[in-house]
Amino acid sequence: QVQLQESGPGLVKPSETLSLTCTVSGGSITSYFWSWIRQPPGKRLEWIGHIYYSGTTNYNPSLKSRVTISADTSKNQFSLKLTSVTAADTAVYYCARLFSSGWPPSYYFDYWGQGILVAVSS
Amino acid sequence: DIVMTQSPDSLAVSLGERATINCKSSQSVLHSSNNKNYLAWYQRKPGQPSKLLIYWASTRESGVPDRFSGSGSGTDFTLTISSLQAEDVALYYCQQYYSIPLTFGGGTKVEIK
Repeated sequence: QVQLQESGPGLVKPSETLSLTCTVSGGSITSYFWSWIRQPPGKRLEWIGHIYYSGTTNYNPSLKSRVTISADTSKNQFSLKLTSVTAADTAVYYCARLFSSGWPPSYYFDYWGQGILVAVSS
Repeated sequence: DIVMTQSPDSLAVSLGERATINCKSSQSVLHSSNNKNYLAWYQRKPGQPSKLLIYWASTRESGVPDRFSGSGSGTDFTLTISSLQAEDVALYYCQQYYSIPLTFGGGTKVEIK
């Protein structure tokens, strides 16, 4: 059974960089897409972006200028960096495996982490 | 971006009764090239990871009880729990994967009446 676990600081100062890691157990990150999603308080889920294990990425245009997602196959982890954060970036951040198949490709999430709350505050 | 609108925001259903959740997309998520609806449904319980219930609008994920069913096409979709069980108390939300950015509905909270 694939399990995902988010880790990282729960508090980040405004203008700094938010950095989170997702550790995958029960399966390899190779041959799959991996994604970050967030949910600000009282708002709906927002897809941040995803990465194929080989390094190809796709980001939400609304966040693209500030987001980097990377993968480390040797550690079976993938990571999120979000720069120049503000209070609007306060959210529960989730990592998830993205199932992609066929053409046009499917992109639905078949495994999720429990989420980590990150607050942006001085 | 495709906007996903769910209704109702919450509903209370008696044990054993039917629960129906609606999801409407701002544009069709039916791909004409393969006649598939690019829509998924998820369940989230407190303290647990979200769980994929349905993909391609009506295909149940392996291990999902058959009381859960998805229907609809184009812009209008429904998740039905045919006979609500206590363990079905959760937040349910839809997601379109027809186009990037992937987008989600606002969620529907299901409770026991």
